[in-house]
Amino acid sequence: AQTVTQSQPEMSVQEAETVTLSCTYDTSENNYYLFWYKQPPSRQMILVIRQEAYKQQNATENRFSVNFQKAAKSFSLKISDSQLGDTAMYFCAFMSGGSNYKLTFGKGTLLTVNP
Amino acid sequence: GAGVSQSPRYKVAKRGQDVALRCDPISGHVSLFWYQQALGQGPEFLTYFQNEAQLDKSGLPSDRFFAERPEGSVSTLKIQRTQQEDSAVYLCASSQVEGTGPNEKLFFGSGTQLSVL
Repeated sequence: AQTVTQSQPEMSVQEAETVTLSCTYDTSENNYYLFWYKQPPSRQMILVIRQEAYKQQNATENRFSVNFQKAAKSFSLKISDSQLGDTAMYFCAFMSGGSNYKLTFGKGTLLTVNP
Repeated sequence: GAGVSQSPRYKVAKRGQDVALRCDPISGHVSLFWYQQALGQGPEFLTYFQNEAQLDKSGLPSDRFFAERPEGSVSTLKIQRTQQEDSAVYLCASSQVEGTGPNEKLFFGSGTQLSVL
C-alpha cells in the first residue's frame, strides 16, 4: 500500500515571501501521479498542481511549482509571492497509475500567510 | 448545479442513531466518490460510483456504512448505529469522466461534519 508523509504540521510565511511544503511518499510502482490540494476553512478541496511520475520536468502553475525527486520519492510544493488567500491546509496526494481514481492523502500542512 | 452540493453541512447524532448524508454531484458527472476526513487527518477513500454502479467499496470501515446512487446522480451515504469513531467530515467529489485520472479535474463538495455524541 502507498503512504504519503507530510512532516510539517504547520508552517507560516510573510506575505510576498516564498515557502516550501514537504511531502514524501512510498510506493513500489513506477507509474503514478502526485497532487497538491488546498483546503480552506470552507472545507472544499481545490486542486493546486499535479505531476506525472514519468515526466522529469517539474510542474508549474502560476505562483505554484513543485520539486519532484523521483529517486528520493519526494514531492515538495513551492509557493512564491505568498498571498493572504493562500492561508489553508495543504494536502499532498498520490494516485496509482493502475487505479485512475483513488487518491491517498497525507495528513496535511497548515499554512498561515501573515500580513 | 454550479458545484457539488452536500447536505446537511453539520449533523449531530447520538451514539446508536442512523444517519444519512446526501451528495448532489455536478449535473452529468459520471463518477462520484466519498471520502472520510477525521480531525487532523487527510481524507481517506470510502467508495466510488460510476453512474449507478458501485465499483469500489473497499474503503468503507464496516458493514454499518452503506452508500447508494440509484439513478446515477444523487448519492446517499448511510451510517447505521453510529459510533463516536464515526465522527468526521464526509467529503463527496465528482468528475466528468469514468474514474478521474490524472488529467481530469475532481470537484469536491464542502462536506458534512458529523459529530457523534
